[in-house]
Amino acid sequence: QVQLQESGPEVVQPSETLSLTCTVSGGSIKNYYWSWIRQPPGKGLEWIAYIYYTGDTNYSPSLKSRLAISVDTSKNQFSLKLTSVTAADTAVYYCAGMKVGAPRYFDLWGRGTLVTVSS
Amino acid sequence: DIQMTQSPSSLSASVGDRVTITCRASQGISTYLNWYQQKPGKAPKVLVYAASSLQSGVPSRFSGSGSGTDFTLTISALQPEDFATYYCQQSYTMPFTFGGGTKVEIK
Repeated sequence: QVQLQESGPEVVQPSETLSLTCTVSGGSIKNYYWSWIRQPPGKGLEWIAYIYYTGDTNYSPSLKSRLAISVDTSKNQFSLKLTSVTAADTAVYYCAGMKVGAPRYFDLWGRGTLVTVSS
Repeated sequence: DIQMTQSPSSLSASVGDRVTITCRASQGISTYLNWYQQKPGKAPKVLVYAASSLQSGVPSRFSGSGSGTDFTLTISALQPEDFATYYCQQSYTMPFTFGGGTKVEIK
């Protein structure tokens, strides 16, 4: 079955750029709409970005100026960059997928990776 | 953005109790409403999608209802493994938004 794995640094310095990659295994990256979702410690879920393999993207308005999402179909990966991070960006970051042609819900999730913004 | 408001934010219940969680959207979203369960240290897991469709493998004690702006998730008889946090999420339009969560605790 399709599985997702997030990867990237666990600690990022304030004002620097947070970079994460999600690797899709067991299936084609073209069969899903992909998102990044984050969860600050002890808090709720926040959707932050979307991408399709065609390059179509959509961003959370509150983060749009600092976000970039990209896809590499040759590697079955999609990536997130969040610039100028602060402590408020400390969170578990999940990659997640919605199956193309199905009702729109996140049926695929990575395990999540905790990114801490700290000097 | 569509705001999703869940209530209550937490509740205490006993095994066997019937539990109802509500979710209200700030504008009509038809039936583009999903429910997720999250346990500590784990990724969320979908329980109900499109307001009332039970995800494969999810016990039938879970059910969802509603359309437009008001939705409910019901657990007919709470089991020990159901103690978790539950989130609603609208997929009507991006930005996709989640409710604030309902933590179901043991009474």
